[in-house]
Amino acid sequence: DVKVTQSSRYLVKRTGEKVFLECVQDMDHENMFWYRQDPGLGLRLIYFSYDVKMKEKGDIPEGYSVSREKKERFSLILESASTNQTSMYLCASSPRRSDTQYFGPGTRLTVL
Amino acid sequence: AQSVTQPDIHITVSEGASLELRCNYSYGATPYLFWYVQSPGQGLQLLLKYFSGDTLVQGIKGFEAEFKRSQSSFNLRKPSVHWSDAAEYFCAVGATDSWGKLQFGAGTQVVVTP
Repeated sequence: DVKVTQSSRYLVKRTGEKVFLECVQDMDHENMFWYRQDPGLGLRLIYFSYDVKMKEKGDIPEGYSVSREKKERFSLILESASTNQTSMYLCASSPRRSDTQYFGPGTRLTVL
Repeated sequence: AQSVTQPDIHITVSEGASLELRCNYSYGATPYLFWYVQSPGQGLQLLLKYFSGDTLVQGIKGFEAEFKRSQSSFNLRKPSVHWSDAAEYFCAVGATDSWGKLQFGAGTQVVVTP
Protein backbone atom coordinates (compact mmCIF):
# COMPACT_ATOMS: atom_id res chain seq x y z
CA ASP A 1 0.00 0.00 0.00
CA VAL A 2 1.07 3.53 -0.68
CA LYS A 3 1.93 5.42 2.46
CA VAL A 4 2.03 9.20 2.67
CA THR A 5 2.92 10.57 6.06
CA GLN A 6 2.80 14.10 7.38
CA SER A 7 4.97 15.23 10.26
CA SER A 8 2.21 16.55 12.51
CA ARG A 9 -1.52 15.99 12.83
CA TYR A 10 -2.08 19.19 14.78
CA LEU A 11 0.08 22.30 14.96
CA VAL A 12 -0.42 25.62 16.73
CA LYS A 13 1.80 28.56 15.78
CA ARG A 14 1.91 32.29 16.39
CA THR A 15 1.56 35.00 13.79
CA GLY A 16 4.89 35.76 12.17
CA GLU A 17 6.48 32.40 12.93
CA LYS A 18 8.16 30.36 10.21
CA VAL A 19 6.34 27.06 9.82
CA PHE A 20 7.52 23.84 8.18
CA LEU A 21 5.13 21.09 7.18
CA GLU A 22 6.79 17.88 6.11
CA CYS A 23 5.47 15.16 3.86
CA VAL A 24 7.10 11.83 3.07
CA GLN A 25 5.98 9.13 0.64
CA ASP A 26 7.41 5.64 0.49
CA MET A 27 6.48 4.57 -3.05
CA ASP A 28 9.08 6.33 -5.18
CA HIS A 29 6.41 8.56 -6.69
CA GLU A 30 7.46 11.26 -9.14
CA ASN A 31 4.82 13.84 -8.28
CA MET A 32 3.96 15.43 -4.97
CA PHE A 33 1.35 18.02 -4.10
CA TRP A 34 0.35 20.36 -1.29
CA TYR A 35 -3.28 21.39 -0.83
CA ARG A 36 -5.17 23.37 1.72
CA GLN A 37 -8.71 22.43 2.62
CA ASP A 38 -11.26 24.91 3.92
CA PRO A 39 -14.99 24.34 4.55
CA GLY A 40 -17.08 25.01 1.47
CA LEU A 41 -14.04 25.45 -0.75
CA GLY A 42 -12.88 21.87 -1.19
CA LEU A 43 -9.17 21.35 -1.80
CA ARG A 44 -7.08 24.05 -3.41
CA LEU A 45 -3.63 23.37 -4.82
CA ILE A 46 -0.80 25.39 -3.31
CA TYR A 47 2.29 23.92 -5.00
CA PHE A 48 3.31 20.74 -6.72
CA SER A 49 6.53 19.08 -7.77
CA TYR A 50 7.14 16.63 -10.59
CA ASP A 51 10.80 15.94 -9.82
CA VAL A 52 13.49 16.56 -7.26
CA LYS A 53 14.31 20.25 -6.97
CA MET A 54 11.45 21.10 -9.33
CA LYS A 55 8.38 23.00 -8.21
CA GLU A 56 5.38 24.61 -9.82
CA LYS A 57 2.86 27.04 -8.43
CA GLY A 58 -0.67 25.88 -7.96
CA ASP A 59 -3.77 28.01 -7.65
CA ILE A 60 -2.97 29.70 -4.32
CA PRO A 61 0.82 29.93 -3.84
CA GLU A 62 0.91 33.34 -2.16
CA GLY A 63 2.46 33.21 1.30
CA TYR A 64 3.90 29.73 0.80
CA SER A 65 7.06 28.16 -0.56
CA VAL A 66 8.16 24.56 -0.98
CA SER A 67 11.27 22.44 -1.03
CA ARG A 68 11.97 19.07 -2.58
CA GLU A 69 15.55 18.05 -1.96
CA LYS A 70 14.85 14.32 -2.03
CA LYS A 71 12.34 12.41 -4.09
CA GLU A 72 10.42 11.09 -1.12
CA ARG A 73 10.11 14.35 0.81
CA PHE A 74 8.17 17.51 -0.01
CA SER A 75 8.09 20.37 2.46
CA LEU A 76 5.68 23.26 2.66
CA ILE A 77 7.00 26.44 4.24
CA LEU A 78 5.07 29.37 5.61
CA GLU A 79 7.70 32.10 5.79
CA SER A 80 5.68 34.28 8.15
CA ALA A 81 2.49 32.62 9.31
CA SER A 82 -0.70 34.65 9.34
CA THR A 83 -4.11 33.92 10.82
CA ASN A 84 -5.64 33.44 7.37
CA GLN A 85 -3.36 30.45 6.90
CA THR A 86 -5.22 28.57 9.60
CA SER A 87 -6.43 25.52 7.70
CA MET A 88 -6.13 21.79 7.07
CA TYR A 89 -3.09 21.01 4.91
CA LEU A 90 -3.04 17.85 2.85
CA CYS A 91 -0.10 16.34 1.04
CA ALA A 92 -0.48 13.90 -1.85
CA SER A 93 1.73 11.94 -4.20
CA SER A 94 1.20 10.20 -7.52
CA PRO A 95 3.45 7.84 -9.50
CA ARG A 96 3.32 10.00 -12.62
CA ARG A 97 1.31 12.78 -14.15
CA SER A 98 -2.34 12.09 -14.85
CA ASP A 99 -2.53 9.34 -12.28
CA THR A 100 -4.19 8.69 -8.96
CA GLN A 101 -3.12 10.91 -6.10
CA TYR A 102 -2.63 9.32 -2.69
CA PHE A 103 -3.19 11.50 0.34
CA GLY A 104 -1.63 11.82 3.75
CA PRO A 105 -3.74 12.21 6.91
CA GLY A 106 -3.45 15.99 6.94
CA THR A 107 -2.08 18.60 9.31
CA ARG A 108 -4.52 20.92 11.00
CA LEU A 109 -2.63 24.19 11.46
CA THR A 110 -3.90 26.93 13.73
CA VAL A 111 -2.18 30.32 13.62
CA LEU A 112 -2.92 32.53 16.61
CA ALA B 1 -12.19 28.17 -17.04
CA GLN B 2 -12.03 24.69 -15.63
CA SER B 3 -14.42 23.95 -12.80
CA VAL B 4 -15.98 21.16 -10.82
CA THR B 5 -19.39 21.52 -9.20
CA GLN B 6 -20.94 19.39 -6.53
CA PRO B 7 -24.42 20.91 -6.29
CA ASP B 8 -25.33 19.31 -2.97
CA ILE B 9 -23.46 20.63 0.03
CA HIS B 10 -25.23 18.31 2.45
CA ILE B 11 -27.30 15.14 2.01
CA THR B 12 -29.15 13.18 4.68
CA VAL B 13 -30.03 9.59 3.89
CA SER B 14 -31.52 6.73 5.89
CA GLU B 15 -29.47 3.63 6.48
CA GLY B 16 -30.33 1.08 3.81
CA ALA B 17 -31.55 3.68 1.34
CA SER B 18 -29.85 4.46 -1.93
CA LEU B 19 -27.46 7.37 -2.36
CA GLU B 20 -26.54 9.46 -5.37
CA LEU B 21 -24.02 12.29 -5.26
CA ARG B 22 -23.78 14.63 -8.21
CA CYS B 23 -20.68 15.97 -9.89
CA ASN B 24 -20.56 18.22 -12.94
CA TYR B 25 -17.43 19.50 -14.58
CA SER B 26 -16.36 22.00 -17.16
CA TYR B 27 -13.14 21.05 -18.88
CA GLY B 28 -11.72 21.84 -22.27
CA ALA B 29 -9.64 18.69 -22.63
CA THR B 30 -10.51 15.05 -22.21
CA PRO B 31 -10.94 14.64 -18.48
CA TYR B 32 -10.14 11.89 -16.09
CA LEU B 33 -12.20 11.76 -12.91
CA PHE B 34 -12.08 10.60 -9.32
CA TRP B 35 -14.27 10.27 -6.30
CA TYR B 36 -12.60 10.48 -2.90
CA VAL B 37 -14.06 10.06 0.58
CA GLN B 38 -12.89 11.77 3.74
CA SER B 39 -13.84 10.60 7.21
CA PRO B 40 -13.65 13.19 10.03
CA GLY B 41 -10.09 14.25 10.76
CA GLN B 42 -8.65 12.01 8.07
CA GLY B 43 -7.04 12.34 4.69
CA LEU B 44 -8.76 11.47 1.43
CA GLN B 45 -9.28 7.88 0.36
CA LEU B 46 -9.83 6.97 -3.27
CA LEU B 47 -13.23 5.39 -3.96
CA LEU B 48 -12.98 5.02 -7.73
CA LYS B 49 -11.58 6.56 -10.87
CA TYR B 50 -12.31 6.89 -14.57
CA PHE B 51 -9.66 7.32 -17.22
CA SER B 52 -11.15 5.69 -20.29
CA GLY B 53 -13.15 2.68 -21.43
CA ASP B 54 -16.33 1.49 -19.78
CA THR B 55 -18.19 4.54 -18.53
CA LEU B 56 -19.63 2.69 -15.52
CA VAL B 57 -16.87 2.17 -12.98
CA GLN B 58 -16.94 0.14 -9.81
CA GLY B 59 -15.13 1.21 -6.69
CA ILE B 60 -14.54 0.16 -3.14
CA LYS B 61 -17.20 -0.12 -0.44
CA GLY B 62 -19.93 -0.90 -2.98
CA PHE B 63 -19.80 2.47 -4.77
CA GLU B 64 -20.08 2.98 -8.50
CA ALA B 65 -20.02 6.01 -10.78
CA GLU B 66 -21.06 6.70 -14.33
CA PHE B 67 -19.25 9.04 -16.70
CA LYS B 68 -21.64 10.83 -19.04
CA ARG B 69 -19.70 12.96 -21.48
CA SER B 70 -22.82 14.51 -23.02
CA GLN B 71 -23.91 15.78 -19.61
CA SER B 72 -20.41 16.53 -18.30
CA SER B 73 -21.25 14.50 -15.22
CA PHE B 74 -19.71 11.82 -13.07
CA ASN B 75 -22.30 10.91 -10.44
CA LEU B 76 -21.54 8.55 -7.57
CA ARG B 77 -24.07 5.96 -6.43
CA LYS B 78 -24.53 3.32 -3.80
CA PRO B 79 -27.62 1.09 -3.69
CA SER B 80 -27.78 0.70 0.08
CA VAL B 81 -25.89 2.94 2.49
CA HIS B 82 -24.38 1.86 5.77
CA TRP B 83 -23.86 4.06 8.83
CA SER B 84 -20.13 3.93 8.12
CA ASP B 85 -20.70 5.79 4.83
CA ALA B 86 -21.25 9.02 6.74
CA ALA B 87 -18.38 11.20 5.53
CA GLU B 88 -17.52 13.97 3.11
CA TYR B 89 -17.22 13.08 -0.55
CA PHE B 90 -15.14 14.93 -3.12
CA CYS B 91 -15.25 14.76 -6.88
CA ALA B 92 -11.99 15.63 -8.66
CA VAL B 93 -11.18 16.17 -12.31
CA GLY B 94 -7.91 16.31 -14.16
CA ALA B 95 -6.81 16.57 -17.76
CA THR B 96 -3.95 14.87 -19.53
CA ASP B 97 -2.41 18.23 -20.38
CA SER B 98 -2.57 19.59 -16.83
CA TRP B 99 0.67 18.19 -15.37
CA GLY B 100 -1.31 15.90 -13.11
CA LYS B 101 -3.11 18.74 -11.34
CA LEU B 102 -6.61 18.01 -10.11
CA GLN B 103 -9.53 20.38 -9.64
CA PHE B 104 -11.70 19.43 -6.68
CA GLY B 105 -15.33 20.12 -6.00
CA ALA B 106 -16.37 21.75 -2.73
CA GLY B 107 -17.52 18.43 -1.31
CA THR B 108 -20.80 16.85 -0.23
CA GLN B 109 -21.34 15.98 3.42
CA VAL B 110 -23.36 12.79 3.85
CA VAL B 111 -25.25 12.12 7.06
CA VAL B 112 -26.73 8.66 7.62
CA THR B 113 -29.71 8.34 9.94
CA PRO B 114 -30.86 5.11 11.60
